[in-house]
Amino acid sequence: DTAVSQTPKYLVTQMGNDKSIKCEQNLGHDTMYWYKQDSKKFLKIMFSYNNKELIINETVPNRFSPKSPDKAHLNLHINSLELGDSAVYFCASSQGNRYNSPLHFGNGTRLTVT
Amino acid sequence: AQSVTQLDSQVPVFEEAPVELRCNYSSSVSVYLFWYVQYPNQGLQLLLKYLSGSTLVKGINGFEAEFNKSQTSFHLRKPSVHISDTAEYFCAPRGSYIPTFGRGTSLIVHP
Repeated sequence: DTAVSQTPKYLVTQMGNDKSIKCEQNLGHDTMYWYKQDSKKFLKIMFSYNNKELIINETVPNRFSPKSPDKAHLNLHINSLELGDSAVYFCASSQGNRYNSPLHFGNGTRLTVT
Repeated sequence: AQSVTQLDSQVPVFEEAPVELRCNYSSSVSVYLFWYVQYPNQGLQLLLKYLSGSTLVKGINGFEAEFNKSQTSFHLRKPSVHISDTAEYFCAPRGSYIPTFGRGTSLIVHP
């Protein structure tokens, strides 16, 4: 009964390909996030959705497109993959976008672009 | 907006020794304070949080942290660490709609 689950766990692909990462949460939360963690463990927020509405869209190349079909799902599609996209991508969720609400993270998707 | 500084990128300690991981933040608004832990090949999980009330908060696995408003710090402590505490620790003050994290402190516990 994993709370926040991401698939796939590992993704190895070549430059120029298009790939998607899926995220689902069963916590009943209404806010979901995508973070990118680089090799030095730095976490950078990419996007956030609240009730299927995009509320955070940081400076991310428009090759990255999030989609939230419902409150429990947030997917990330990446076009024309580049070497610099290699990282671990984390999905997270929280109850509302309240500042006192902690985030719950999935176990990450390790993307390797060759 | 707030910013956060984790003063040590790496903290090596021996098993059963005490440890303190330091976190300072700056913010023009009141913030809520969180510490998260990331074990190898896993996502982050909440260790503890300060929302209001007592400035000393206790979390999971024997960790505690103290909120110091005058010094804008929220240092994490454990009196006696175990090998299993080896992980990355993230301080995360929040005072805006964007949840941000410090750069992390790698705690390495040696036998």
